[in-house]
Amino acid sequence: QVQLQESGPGLVKPSQTLALTCTVSGGSITRAGHYWTWIRQHPGKGLEWIGYIYSSGTTYYNPSLESRLTMSVDTSKSQYSLKLSSVTAADTAVYYCALEDPYGLKYWGQGTLVTVSS
Amino acid sequence: DIQMTQSPSSLSASVGDRVTITCRASQGIYNYVAWFQQKPGKAPKSLMFGASNLQSGVPSRFSGSGSGTDFTLTISSLQPEDFATYYCQQYDSYPRTFGPGTKVDVK
Repeated sequence: QVQLQESGPGLVKPSQTLALTCTVSGGSITRAGHYWTWIRQHPGKGLEWIGYIYSSGTTYYNPSLESRLTMSVDTSKSQYSLKLSSVTAADTAVYYCALEDPYGLKYWGQGTLVTVSS
Repeated sequence: DIQMTQSPSSLSASVGDRVTITCRASQGIYNYVAWFQQKPGKAPKSLMFGASNLQSGVPSRFSGSGSGTDFTLTISSLQPEDFATYYCQQYDSYPRTFGPGTKVDVK
């Protein structure tokens, strides 16, 4: 059973960079066909797909965030990370890491609330 | 991007009711639709993939159907633990997109 856990600051100042890490356990981060994904949910709103990273480092970013987004993976630590630069209040959201495999987005982290405020 | 719409946006129902939620894609997506259930303060839970395939452990009162652009999620007999918000999601192309959600609450 794959488990994912987000970690990172809960408060980020405007114009700074939001950085989160997802730690994977119970499964291999290098398994073929596994796309390590980030999703966010603005308070009281729906779900927004941010992007994925594959264990090889291949990424796909949502074009709406692409210019500010960087994802990376550390297979030795079974972790992958997200960095979102130049944040504004509009980036305040619960950020989830999740695994997409051939059965869809089956496994999710519990989510972490990131507030952008001075 | 493929736009996903859902109807209704909310509904009120009673335990034992049959509930149907519809999801429409802005273009054909074969059967690459997933359904999620989300309760307040919790991460979404995957219910279904491939439009009609139940994730392991999901009760059989949940069922899904559809292909192309129109999809449905049906709960055959609503249980107390089913009051939640439901989202559809397409995974035919990138970026993945979700519907806006359907909130099922107590009548």
